[in-house]
Amino acid sequence: RKEVEQDPGPFNVPEGATVAFNCTYSNSASQSFFWYRQDCRKEPKLLMSVYSSGNEDGRFTAQLNRASQYISLLIRDSKLSDSATYLCVVRGSSASKIIFGSGTRLSIRP
Amino acid sequence: IAGITQAPTSQILAAGRRMTLRCTQDMRHNAMYWYRQDLGLGLRLIHYSNTAGTTGKGEVPDGYSVSRANTDDFPLTLASAVPSQTSVYFCASGTDGAGELFFGEGSRLTVL
Repeated sequence: RKEVEQDPGPFNVPEGATVAFNCTYSNSASQSFFWYRQDCRKEPKLLMSVYSSGNEDGRFTAQLNRASQYISLLIRDSKLSDSATYLCVVRGSSASKIIFGSGTRLSIRP
Repeated sequence: IAGITQAPTSQILAAGRRMTLRCTQDMRHNAMYWYRQDLGLGLRLIHYSNTAGTTGKGEVPDGYSVSRANTDDFPLTLASAVPSQTSVYFCASGTDGAGELFFGEGSRLTVL
């Protein structure tokens, strides 16, 4: 079993729709959690950190469920520019323990 | 502000050749990382460095070596390239203990 698992997608949704992704992790000692965005043939960039209390940044909401060991990302009122691959990242206590999920591909259609 | 710079951006290499991918950051980050990204496998850690003078092995270190002589530079060397090392390589840096990693634009390597 992979340490961090994501549905690879692709998710193909119309502009304006709400879409949600989940990511599960296996190490209960994981300490911090993030969502990165990666555009085609580009480097990953931080989208948002995920806090225990949940957090929101504009149209994006991230939540953490430690008991069930998953994090989620919700995108409301999706835009064409949201089309990208979304990477779930789980971090442990050491530099070597930064684990990336394989990513979920999102495509927004007009 | 350059951030983190990788070179070359793309390279085709014959098997058996030696290759060094360069990575330089100007953010004074303590920690630096090398990842490879392959379709369906996501980003996998090759080597990392918590601070200048120290390095560590990641998930897939075989066939690769790194050095960290100073804070800014973290080159990755393939001593004798093999076709399975065909991949996109990303260098990243971050402050020790903090979450965000900053990535270079990647080096696309093809080993024939």
